[in-house]
Amino acid sequence: EAAVTQSPRSKVAVTGGKVTLSCHQTNNHDYMYWYRQDTGHGLRLIHYSYVADSTEKGDIPDGYKASRPSQENFSLILELASLSQTAVYFCASSEAGGTGQLYFGEGSKLTVL
Amino acid sequence: GQQVKQSSPSLTVQEGGISILNCDYENDMFDYFAWYKKYPDNSPTLLISVRSNVDKREDGRLTVFLNKSGKHFSLHITASQPEDTAVYLCAAALNQGGSAKLIFGEGTKLTVSS
Repeated sequence: EAAVTQSPRSKVAVTGGKVTLSCHQTNNHDYMYWYRQDTGHGLRLIHYSYVADSTEKGDIPDGYKASRPSQENFSLILELASLSQTAVYFCASSEAGGTGQLYFGEGSKLTVL
Repeated sequence: GQQVKQSSPSLTVQEGGISILNCDYENDMFDYFAWYKKYPDNSPTLLISVRSNVDKREDGRLTVFLNKSGKHFSLHITASQPEDTAVYLCAAALNQGGSAKLIFGEGTKLTVSS
C-alpha cells in the first residue's frame, strides 16, 4: 500500500526560528509535493519536485525552501518562521505528475508563536 | 487569483438525498479534474477523477459532470449517508510535460443529517 510519512506530526516553533518538515515515501514515485492547508483556502501548493536534486516553486513559495536529496525524501524548510506560517502542512507523492492520484501523508501541524 | 473555486463553503443534505458539490475553474487548458475527500484530522484521499475528453463519469454513488464550455465541474453523491460528512476538495491540473501540478479549490464541507 502507498505510504507517505511526515515528521514531525506536530511542532511549536518560535518566530524567527528555523523549521524543517520531513517527508518520506515508499511508493517509488517521481513526484512529491508540499501543500499548506488553511481554513478557507483549501490546499495550496508550496513546492514540488519531479526528480531528485531538483525542486520547483508552487503557487505560494515565498518564505519556504525545499530539498529533494533522494527520490524517497522531500523536505520543507522555513528559515525564518513567521506567525503567518502557522498551518497544517501536507506532503504528497504521485506517479504521474499532477494528473495522477496524489497520496498524502498524515499532515504536520505547525504552530509559530 | 484563485484558479479553482468552490463557491459554497458548506452544504447540508438530508440522509438519502442527493449531494451536489460544484467547482469552477479559470484555465480552459486544464485537462484533468478530480475530487478529494477529507475527514477532520485526516489526509485527503482521491474519490474520483476525469480527463477532459469525457463529460461524465460514474462510480457507484458518485458521478462527476464536466462542462468544459462553462469551465465547471460537479460531484453528485446519490443516497447520501452520514458517513459522507466530510470536506470535499475539487482539483484541476494542466499536464505540461513533466511538471504537472494539481491545483485545489477551497473545499466544501458537506454535512449529511440523519
